Amino acid sequence: DGGITQSPKYLFRKEGQNVTLSCEQNLNHDAMYWYRQDPGQGLRLIYYSQIVNDFQKGDIAEGYSVSREKKESFPLTVTSAQKNPTAFYLCASSMGRNIQYFGAGTRLSVL
Amino acid sequence: KNEVEQSPQNLTAQEGEFITINCSYSVGISALHWLQQHPGGGIVSLFMLSSGKKKHGRLIATINIQEKHSSLHITASHPRDSAVYICAVWGETSGSRLTFGEGTQLTVNP
Repeated sequence: DGGITQSPKYLFRKEGQNVTLSCEQNLNHDAMYWYRQDPGQGLRLIYYSQIVNDFQKGDIAEGYSVSREKKESFPLTVTSAQKNPTAFYLCASSMGRNIQYFGAGTRLSVL
Repeated sequence: KNEVEQSPQNLTAQEGEFITINCSYSVGISALHWLQQHPGGGIVSLFMLSSGKKKHGRLIATINIQEKHSSLHITASHPRDSAVYICAVWGETSGSRLTFGEGTQLTVNP
């Protein structure tokens, strides 16, 4: 089935640790996105990528890093510099400015 | 002021009622999305429209480009419609980024 797979579903981070959230899509979409959602809040854009080996910062990129080495994959690393990482993280993809398809999300908590 | 405003923020209805959620935006757009976020967090796209009206089952979305306004209607609402409904726009000058509203929390009681 075509879609976006995020893993893991739940993730726990220790103080000072970097953690990586996985996002894979088999929709052959060029554009991929990472959003953060805090409880009761809307979606905020962290990073996005329109093409392999290129990505742009969103509104809240500090403390996060991404890579786009393959079209299908857009992993997000939450670094130790992100002091408040507890949130729900959603990955999405689209073919240009078209319908965005979302993964099921990863809930990140701090131990 | 947000570029995309939704109203109401929260809506409680009884099963069977007709529901309307509104979205107003202040920028030029090429298209508008309506999204549904389930209680578990997953998000699905309901509609993408740039003019007129679209219908899928009990859901109807309309857009008035001149008035910069869109509505999402749910007919014969059901408890399983309880979710957050999110409006998002592809702005003419926003490149490859969607601009999101804050969402409307809908609760349908049996």
